[in-house]
Amino acid sequence: DQQVKQNSPSLSVQEGRISILNCDYTNSMFDYFLWYKKYPAEGPTFLISISSIKDKNEDGRFTVFLNKSAKHLSLHIVPSQPGDSAVYFCAVYNSGNTPLVFGKGTRLSVIA
Amino acid sequence: DVKVTQSSRYLVKRTGEKVFLECVQDMDHENMFWYRQDPGLGLRLIYFSYDVKMKEKGDIPEGYSVSREKKERFSLILESASTNQTSMYLCASSLNGRPETQYFGPGTRLLVL
Repeated sequence: DQQVKQNSPSLSVQEGRISILNCDYTNSMFDYFLWYKKYPAEGPTFLISISSIKDKNEDGRFTVFLNKSAKHLSLHIVPSQPGDSAVYFCAVYNSGNTPLVFGKGTRLSVIA
Repeated sequence: DVKVTQSSRYLVKRTGEKVFLECVQDMDHENMFWYRQDPGLGLRLIYFSYDVKMKEKGDIPEGYSVSREKKERFSLILESASTNQTSMYLCASSLNGRPETQYFGPGTRLLVL
C-alpha cells in the first residue's frame, strides 16, 4: 500500500499563475518532508523541505505547506514559469535514518 | 559541490547478460541508494547501503544485487538481465540523518533486448 500519494499525475498551468502540487501521506511518524524536481534524462534535484515542527517554509517562488492533522503537504509555485515544467516528487522521511519514501510524481506543464 | 556520477548514461544489453551499473560520489556520504524510475510508478528503491560492506533490500530487490567495497562506490548488478528490467536507474547518496542532503546522479537508461 502506498505510503505517499500524489493523486494528480499531471497539471497544466498558465505562465504567471500559481501552481499547486499536492501530496498525502499515511504514517504520522514521518517527520520530514521534501520536494524534488526532475527534468527528462536528468536525476531529481532537491527543491525545498519542511520539518514536522513547522507548517510553512518559503524559498523564493516556492513555498511548502504542511498540514499534519490531515497528513497533507503542498508545494506552491508563484509565479509559475515555463522553466518550472518538470516532474515533481514528494518525499517523506522518518528520523532514524530510514530511506526516503517517494510519491509517484506529478508532471507540471507551464504554458507560455 | 556534491557530485554523484554514474558510469553510463545509456546502455543496451541482451536478455541473460550480467549487467553492472556503477555509481561514485565524492562528498564522503555514508548512505548510498539505487532506484529505478518507470512511467506511472515513480521512484522505487531497489537497494541501499549505510556503510561500507553493508547493504539493505529496498522495495524491489528481486533480480538485483549490490556491492559496496568502498565508501564512495556503490554498484548495482543485474545477475541475468530481463526485458522487464528496462528502465531508468538512478543512484543517490546522502549524509546520515540528513535527508535534505540526498543528491542523485544523472541516471542510466538501460534497454534490455
